[in-house]
This record gives sequence, structure tokens and C-alpha cells, in this order.
Amino acid sequence: NAGVTQTPKFQVLKTGQSMTLQCAQDMNHEYMSWYRQDPGMGLRLIHYSVGAGITDQGEVPNGYNVSRSTTEDFPLRLLSAAPSQTSVYFCASSLGRSNTGELFFGEGSRLTVL
Amino acid sequence: DAKTTQPPSMDCAEGRAANLPCNHSTISGNEYVYWYRQIHSQGPQYIIHGLKNNETNEMASLIITEDRKSSTLILPHATLRDTAVYYCIVRAYTGFQKLVFGTGTRLLVSP
Repeated sequence: NAGVTQTPKFQVLKTGQSMTLQCAQDMNHEYMSWYRQDPGMGLRLIHYSVGAGITDQGEVPNGYNVSRSTTEDFPLRLLSAAPSQTSVYFCASSLGRSNTGELFFGEGSRLTVL
Repeated sequence: DAKTTQPPSMDCAEGRAANLPCNHSTISGNEYVYWYRQIHSQGPQYIIHGLKNNETNEMASLIITEDRKSSTLILPHATLRDTAVYYCIVRAYTGFQKLVFGTGTRLLVSP
């Protein structure tokens, strides 16, 4: 099993450009989420999903959109990138209602907005 | 979710036990204590969790005080590969895992 796969690993954008960070998991997990991590700080929740077709906002949702059309995929869209969105982005998944609390994280996507 | 307090950094000699403390004095009765770690810039990795009993797995042991206001993560024989940032998190067991990551403890294991 690949676990949680994020693409791309690195990306440089110009202010105002749009892009999508991809996240896929092959563990049939119900829950998926996106976090961002800025230098010297802990992770902050952006958006999350408790199942296909269901999404909700986390702590820092502004500037980001998500959708969950399948169980496996949970893409994060930046509609108009800003320098403040320079960060490392982590996607995570977990079993769901019957879970033990264990989150599985991807390796991260490092985004720089100029 | 209850807040946690951890020391910003700790040192440990290779082969010795690393004891990482965490205070969670406002923890509720239905909240569990979870530990994750983040090695370098990788995604966080789950280590262990518990409610009120001590727990042990292949990676570590978790000791929770009787009043549940604090806990200690123990790495029994630290190796250089255990150098990482360790996060202590408390959350209820039900619903989505809206984990609140603080700044954690940076553990440096030296030869």
C-alpha cells in the first residue's frame, strides 16, 4: 500500500496564480484533512472531510477550496495564490468513526508564492 | 480540545531513556492523550495514545498520572533516529479528529 500520496512535492507560484494540491489514499479511509505548517509552528487545520461529498472548514480555510468526489481523493485548491500561503501542506487520513485516532500523513507539499 | 504544555526542547544521550513530559490540566473525562512526532520535515507520525491507563507499544510507553493532568512519553532506548519534534495532543475519541498541534518538544538525541 502506498498510504497517503501528495503531489507535487515542490511548487513555486506567482501571486494570483491558481493551482491544486493533490492527495490520494488507498486505505479506504473515511476521514481526510489538509493542514498547513509554517516555520517554527505546529500544524493548522485548513479543511476536512468525513466522507465523499462532505467537507467542512477547519481553523484557517480562507483562500482554499476543497471537494471530495471519491473516497480516495481530496484535492486542495488555491484559487488566487498569495505570499501568505507560502507553507508546507500536509494531507492526512484516518479510518473514520471506528478509528483509534491514528492519523496517517503524506510527505508534504512545499509551496512558495512569490 | 484541551490545551497542552510541553518543554520546547530536550536532550538525550543515545541508548538512554528519553522522558518527554506533557501537562494537560484542563483535560476532560472523555479526552484521550495522543502523541505524534515529526522527523525533520516529514509528515507527523502517530506514536501512541491512552485514556487513563498506562500504554505500551513497539515504539514507546505512555504514563498518565492518576488525576490525568499530565503524562510522560517514554522512549526506552533512544537512537539518533528518534531526533524529532514530539507533539502531545488531547482530544475526544468521537467524531472527526480535529487535532490541535502546538509547537511540541524538540528532542535531540546525541551520540
